[in-house]
Amino acid sequence: GENVEQHPSTLSVQEGDSAVIKCTYSDSASNYFPWYKQELGKGPQLIIDIRSNVGEKKDQRIAVTLNKTAKHFSLHITETQPEDSAVYFCAASTGGYQKVTFGTGTKLQVIP
Amino acid sequence: SAVISQKPSRDICQRGTSLTIQCQVDSQVTMMFWYRQQPGQSLTLIATANQGSEATYESGFVIDKFPISRPNLTFSTLTVSNMSPEDSSIYLCSVDWTGGVSTNYGYTFGSGTRLTVV
Repeated sequence: GENVEQHPSTLSVQEGDSAVIKCTYSDSASNYFPWYKQELGKGPQLIIDIRSNVGEKKDQRIAVTLNKTAKHFSLHITETQPEDSAVYFCAASTGGYQKVTFGTGTKLQVIP
Repeated sequence: SAVISQKPSRDICQRGTSLTIQCQVDSQVTMMFWYRQQPGQSLTLIATANQGSEATYESGFVIDKFPISRPNLTFSTLTVSNMSPEDSSIYLCSVDWTGGVSTNYGYTFGSGTRLTVV
């Protein structure tokens, strides 16, 4: 089955700096890669996703890149703010009602 | 995306008892997924529930322990049976909201049920 590895497990940045979280996946059939933000006491919230026919996707301060050849994808958050502090999960799926396999999570702390 | 209501939001239960968690979606969805998230850990899929058929369980999870119902396209329940302290976790419902199109629109999660077994 699919295996998703995520690094780093914790990340501290100063407010205004950029944060990068990296993931690798094992199943070459995976074609959908969502990123989730989970705040304390809440369920994961989808913040951005990318499909395998796209190499990069941006949404304001958040961007995701995908390298299918190397089987890795990354989340980039620019101009970080204290409210970005949360646990971030990457995930992979083969799509079409198939299950999503999650990475181990990155606890991001943005220091004011 | 779909809006999910999950109940209860939290509960404290005695060992040996059972708890049923409800998941209500405001749109008709094909698949509903139940996940477990142990404290400080990632999400692990328990089972996939398709309306009108038996749930499909992942390795390590069995129907006797986690029976699931999926009576219609907007509702599902997960029961945690004969609970022990090791079952203390957050249980999350998720849907593959397709909006009637056979491509992923993104997976939406409920807010979770925080279960403590004493």
